[in-house]
Amino acid sequence: QVQLVESGGGVVQPGRSLRLSCAASGFSFFNYGMQWVRQAPGKGLEWVAVIWYNGSNKKYADSVKGRFTISRDNSRDTLYLQMNSLRVEDTAVYYCARAYGEIDYWGQGTLVTVSS
Amino acid sequence: DIVMTQTPLSLSVTPGEPASISCRSSQSLLASDDGNTYLDWYLQKPGQSPQLLIYKLSYRASGVPDRFSGSGSGTDFTLKISRVEADDVGVYYCMQRIEFPLTFGGGTKVEIK
Repeated sequence: QVQLVESGGGVVQPGRSLRLSCAASGFSFFNYGMQWVRQAPGKGLEWVAVIWYNGSNKKYADSVKGRFTISRDNSRDTLYLQMNSLRVEDTAVYYCARAYGEIDYWGQGTLVTVSS
Repeated sequence: DIVMTQTPLSLSVTPGEPASISCRSSQSLLASDDGNTYLDWYLQKPGQSPQLLIYKLSYRASGVPDRFSGSGSGTDFTLKISRVEADDVGVYYCMQRIEFPLTFGGGTKVEIK
């Protein structure tokens, strides 16, 4: 069965960096585009970034452009999100999600808290 | 960016009764090249990750009961639940994916009376 397991969340000070990982299993990872979507505490869903199946193209939300980098290692079936210059408003649960068009599978999420 | 507006913000429904959620986009979600409407619906049950309900306007995702249906056109869309069950509680989101950035509606919270 499809599984997406995020890791790497935690508490970090403003201005610092964090890297999230998402380990995929149960499907041919290299065939699928992958996304990050976040949800601030008590708020709705916000799309963060997408990467094409082969890593050839990436798109970002304006709120993270220039600070976050999405990447993937198809040999390790793993998706990453490098988050630099973190801000208090980046505090959220970050979900890894599979997308072949529609987002059909989501991970359980990892909480990132940016606080001094 | 395409703005997605959902109404109502919340809904309290008697089990067995129907429910309807509206979603409006600031631009048409109809793709001229393939004729598909790129509007999806998700349900986030309490304490869980979102799950796909409906994709491309009206296609039910695998395992989704036929009580759920999606309809609409252009910029106005509706998710209908023909007979609400206790397991349907949670927050429903619409999302457009005709262009980046992908954008979600603000969500509609459904609870049972």
